[in-house]
Amino acid sequence: KNQVEQSPQSLIILEGKNCTLQCNYTVSPFSNLRWYKQDTGRGPVSLTIMTFSENTKSNGRYTATLDADTKQSSLHITASQLSDSASYICVVSDRGSTLGRLYFGRGTQLTVWP
Amino acid sequence: EADIYQTPRYLVIGTGKKITLECSQTMGHDKMYWYQQDPGMELHLIHYSYGVNSTEKGDLSSESTVSRIRTEHFPLTLESARPSHTSQYLCASSDTGTGGEDPPTDTQYFGPGTRLTVL
Repeated sequence: KNQVEQSPQSLIILEGKNCTLQCNYTVSPFSNLRWYKQDTGRGPVSLTIMTFSENTKSNGRYTATLDADTKQSSLHITASQLSDSASYICVVSDRGSTLGRLYFGRGTQLTVWP
Repeated sequence: EADIYQTPRYLVIGTGKKITLECSQTMGHDKMYWYQQDPGMELHLIHYSYGVNSTEKGDLSSESTVSRIRTEHFPLTLESARPSHTSQYLCASSDTGTGGEDPPTDTQYFGPGTRLTVL
């Protein structure tokens, strides 16, 4: 069964600190992995996307890593800001999908305190 | 910022009412999707469309129906709302593309969502 598991479920950090969110998946055959940021009451917004051959990608203070062998990904946030408070969702696409069909994790709820 | 819109943003209605959730995108994307999301849970695909006059049911069984008469418009209808339909509904779209795009063409762009409460 194709699944995406994220940890931790929730995380509280102080402004300016770094944090790392984890994603483990069993989706096969693998096509790509995305990290989305979803603010409360809003739709998800894509942060990064990585294909099988990529093992790291950055978008400003966000850096995602991918280990396709162990089927793990992480999202590292540097120098956190209050606006980083959101749910971060890991989304994996399988290679067999021609429809953009995606497998969603439940997200990590990040809260950044001043 | 993606040009995909949903209305209404919030809706509170009584049981048995018929409702239509609107979704429009101005990016000319072929594919459109409806997801249902409960708090702290993953998104579940309930409907999708390849293009005009094409609609399919998603992974999660839903009593809602959809239509795709125009490329830019993908409304979702509930004929008789029930409290079990209370949830957030997210619309998304993606392009078919020809390959090699950045970001890849199956990147989905989401609308802001409609928070539905059925009393």
